[in-house]
Amino acid sequence: GAVVSQHPSWVICKSGTSVKIECRSLDFQATTMFWYRQFPKQSLMLMATSNEGSKATYEQGVEKDKFLINHASLTLSTLTVTSAHPEDSSFYICSARDGGQGHTDTQYFGPGTRLTVL
Amino acid sequence: DQQVKQNSPSLSVQEGRISILNCDYTNSMFDYFLWYKKYPAEGPTFLISISSIKDKNEDGRFTVFLNKSAKHLSLHIVPSQPGDSAVYFCAASGGAQKLVFGQGTRLTINP
Repeated sequence: GAVVSQHPSWVICKSGTSVKIECRSLDFQATTMFWYRQFPKQSLMLMATSNEGSKATYEQGVEKDKFLINHASLTLSTLTVTSAHPEDSSFYICSARDGGQGHTDTQYFGPGTRLTVL
Repeated sequence: DQQVKQNSPSLSVQEGRISILNCDYTNSMFDYFLWYKKYPAEGPTFLISISSIKDKNEDGRFTVFLNKSAKHLSLHIVPSQPGDSAVYFCAASGGAQKLVFGQGTRLTINP
């Protein structure tokens, strides 16, 4: 149980275009999902917390208008990188909290999406 | 301010021996701690967790120890296997939903 999927697993796009990344909880309902970014050889950096049916809460320094987050259902959250630039190239990982079993603070992670902006 | 610290960036252990990964934290409000394992280009995989009301939690080859007075936790893997080679992250939560991660320790199991 507690499986989280992400799509696509990798994407290459041109500078100035927008890219949407989907995060799904496959076997549980996730009222809260999180979006992280990881740079090479560094730890996970939390970008935003996404609550179903409400606006996402962004961490300090993360541009809300650049990284659009939508959490329209209990099993799906999307991250859209708008007007992508090469510095947005990174590994983006989502996670979901399973409030139905175990400790509510345990997060289960998706496999990640490698974004390369040319 | 790094609230969760993994001071060893790497650790090398012989197959069959015990691997001990350490993590220190500074925020006394943290009450739940987790260990994740991560392979390159993949998302972290949840391994084991411990609540602050306990000082030990065991799951198969994995045991997590918590020393609240020292604000220190450790993950023991025994016996270590080649498939355990990965980056291990400790994380902490203080009830605000968010997890705070350490920098990670790269564990290499040598045959």
